[in-house]
Amino acid sequence: ELKVEQNPLFLSMQEGKNYTIYCNYSTTSDRLYWYRQDPGKSLESLFVLLSNGAVKQEGRLMASLDTKARLSTLHITAAVHDLSATYFCAPTGNQFYFGTGTSLTVIP
Amino acid sequence: GAVVSQHPSRVICKSGTSVKIECRSLDFQATTMFWYRQFPKQSLMLMATSNEGSKATYEQGVEKDKFLINHASLTLSTLTVTSAHPEDSSFYICSARDRTGVASYNEQFFGPGTRLTVL
Repeated sequence: ELKVEQNPLFLSMQEGKNYTIYCNYSTTSDRLYWYRQDPGKSLESLFVLLSNGAVKQEGRLMASLDTKARLSTLHITAAVHDLSATYFCAPTGNQFYFGTGTSLTVIP
Repeated sequence: GAVVSQHPSRVICKSGTSVKIECRSLDFQATTMFWYRQFPKQSLMLMATSNEGSKATYEQGVEKDKFLINHASLTLSTLTVTSAHPEDSSFYICSARDRTGVASYNEQFFGPGTRLTVL
């Protein structure tokens, strides 16, 4: 079974700061997704990373994938309050394996 | 496109009753649907994989007689929580994978979730 660890589990950061969330997984995966979840809501798809070295950016979020290291990162640039949410990575094969989640709070 | 709906969005029931949750793919055909459970401040836990026209595959530790899954058509899967107890209270999320699975990179499209509270 593919195991997924995210680091950190909880992150409190000030507006305007940068930070990176890490996603490590245990075995080879076809692709990796990043999702955002707001309290009481379902998942919102952010990125899908399909190959080694893939990098995708949307607004203040940038995701990358290193399949050799089995590592994906989600980098936050100049955080704003609206980014406060829980972020999940999900490497996939026939099914999705969700990471532990990172609860992000951006403080004004 | 790729919209998945769930009904109801919220349900409160008494202990011992059964609750049915519907998951529909609105604009695509889903040969495979997945059911997840999420406890507060935890990750999503896959409960079962549901293939149209066949029996669901349950993850280890999930009681198939308690969580009945039916995937009778390419656009509808149902999860019935039988004889619900307070410990079954959770957020249940379904997802659907489209029939081809090619253009969407086998992506799963998630429903909005159903909050179940068992008193």
